[in-house]
Formats: sequence, C-alpha cells, structure tokens
Amino acid sequence: NAGVTQTPKFRVLKTGQSMTLLCAQDMNHEYMYWYRQDPGMGLRLIHYSVGEGTTAKGEVPDGYNVSRLKKQNFLLGLESAAPSQTSVYFCASSFGWDSGANVLTFGAGSRLTVL
Amino acid sequence: LAKTTQPISMDSYEGQEVNITCSHNNIATNDYITWYQQFPSQGPRFIIQGYKTKVTNEVASLFIPADRKSSTLSLPRVSLSDTAVYYCLVGDRGSGGYQKVTFGTGTKLQVIP
Repeated sequence: NAGVTQTPKFRVLKTGQSMTLLCAQDMNHEYMYWYRQDPGMGLRLIHYSVGEGTTAKGEVPDGYNVSRLKKQNFLLGLESAAPSQTSVYFCASSFGWDSGANVLTFGAGSRLTVL
Repeated sequence: LAKTTQPISMDSYEGQEVNITCSHNNIATNDYITWYQQFPSQGPRFIIQGYKTKVTNEVASLFIPADRKSSTLSLPRVSLSDTAVYYCLVGDRGSGGYQKVTFGTGTKLQVIP
C-alpha cells in the first residue's frame, strides 16, 4: 500500500500563477485534510473533507480552494499564488470515527515556493 | 474548542526518560488524546492514543489522570534519533459536529549525546 501520496513534491511558481496539489490515499479513509507548515512553525489546517463531495474550512482557508470529487482524492488549488503561500503543504487522511478520527496518516509533503 | 498547551522545547541526554506534558482543560467527554512525532522535512507520524489511565506501546507510554485535563507522553531511554517535534492533539469539533484536527505548536525535543 502506498498510503498517502502527494504530487508534485516540489514546485516553483511566479506570483499570480495558479496550480493544483493532488493528494491520493489508498486506505479507504473517509476524512482528508490539507495543512501548511511554515519554517519553524506548527501545522495549520487549511481545509478538510469528511467524505466524498464535502469540504469545510479550516484555520487558514483564504487563498485556497479544495475539491473531493472522488473518495480517494483531495485537491488543493491556488488560483492566484502569492509569496505568503510559500510553504510546505501536507495532506493527511483518517477513518473519521470518534476514536480513529485523530489518527491521521500523512503524506511526504509538497514544497511550494512562490516568487 | 479543545486547545492544548505544551512546552515549546525540551533538552534531554541520551539514555534518559523524557516526559512531555500537555494541558487540555476543555477536553470534551468523547475526545481522545493523540500524540504525533515529526522529524524535519517529514509529515507527522502517529505515536500513541488514549482516553484515560495509561496506554503503552512499543514506542511510548501515555499517562492520563482521572480528570483528563492533561496528559503526559513518556519516552523511555531516548536516543539521538528521538530528536523531533512532538504534538499533542485532542478532538476539535468543526461545523456539523465533525472532527477537524488542528495542531498546536508542539514541543521540540533535542536529545544531547
């Protein structure tokens, strides 16, 4: 099993460009999450999904959009990238039950630089 | 919302036992307490989860008092490879009662030779 796979692993954008980060999980997890982590900081929740076709805002949703058209995929979009969005982005997934809801499996991360 | 408070950093010598305490005064009845470990340039990794009393696995032990307002992660005989950031989490109910999982700042553990 691959677990949680993020693509791409690295990307450099110019200000104003758009891009999409893809997260794919093969564990049949119900919940999926997107986090960002700035250097020396903790993880901040951007958006999350509690099932196919659902999305919800996290702590720092501005400037990002997400979609969960298929249960195994969770896409994070930047419509007009800004230098403040330079960060490492982590995707995670979980079963979503009460005891298992906090047992997340993380991807390896996607490092995004916006010039 | 159940928020957590942890020490920002800790130092320990190799071979010592390390205890990291987390405060979560507003923990809800149904919330579990979960700890993660994160190495540089990697995503966090699940270590241990518990609801009350004591839980032990091959990596760590988790102690939770009866009031559940705090918890302590215990790492026995740490080695240099245990140098990492450790996060304590409790359930965080988002809109519609669903769980949105938010991380605090974590505790940066530095193991010294």
